[in-house]
Amino acid sequence: DVKVTQSSRYLVKRTGEKVFLECVQDMDHENMFWYRQDPGLGLRLIYFSYDVKMKEKGDIPEGYSVSREKKERFSLILESASTNQTSMYLCASSPSVANYGYTFGSGTRLTVV
Amino acid sequence: EDKVVQSPLSLVVHEGDTVTLNCSYEVTNFRSLLWYKQEKKAPTFLFMLTSSGIEKKSGRLSSILDKKELFSILNITATQTGDSAIYLCAVVVQGAQKLVFGQGTRLTINP
Repeated sequence: DVKVTQSSRYLVKRTGEKVFLECVQDMDHENMFWYRQDPGLGLRLIYFSYDVKMKEKGDIPEGYSVSREKKERFSLILESASTNQTSMYLCASSPSVANYGYTFGSGTRLTVV
Repeated sequence: EDKVVQSPLSLVVHEGDTVTLNCSYEVTNFRSLLWYKQEKKAPTFLFMLTSSGIEKKSGRLSSILDKKELFSILNITATQTGDSAIYLCAVVVQGAQKLVFGQGTRLTINP
């Protein structure tokens, strides 16, 4: 089974801190994604990547950046965390979205205080 | 702008009831529609629907797509407390390598 692992299940950070959320997949998928999930708003795409060192902005990239130095790892960076970035963050990967959809990680619940 | 809308946003029923969850979409170039179940962990894949009118079934869960009216339904019969979860609907747009999600339906099954 494909595994997508997010490094932390729960995280509490202070306003202004730089925050790194890590995601690793073990099945050589080209495509990786970062979403945030908020009640009533569903999943909103932050950034995605088709290949190593390649990134594309999603629908809500402001306040975030990403890094993909190796194919299996896709990192989400909050440059200066703010309270409105308190959310559930979901990572996903896919070899071909149209044919297989996504495999998701278990999520990181981030609280910024 | 591509849009996926789920209803209801929240539903509470008793064990044994049958539920129907709705998903409508407005997208530029539809390719397929997916349903996921999310408990307190990673969303897990339920169904992928590409063709209109063909029901997909897995145990007590079934789903169908109507490409003319631009919607899908997810049915769960004889619900159990283990069906309590958020159900996510998502659409693949032709040529795009990403999913567009609806808001999700939070389903609660009371014993």
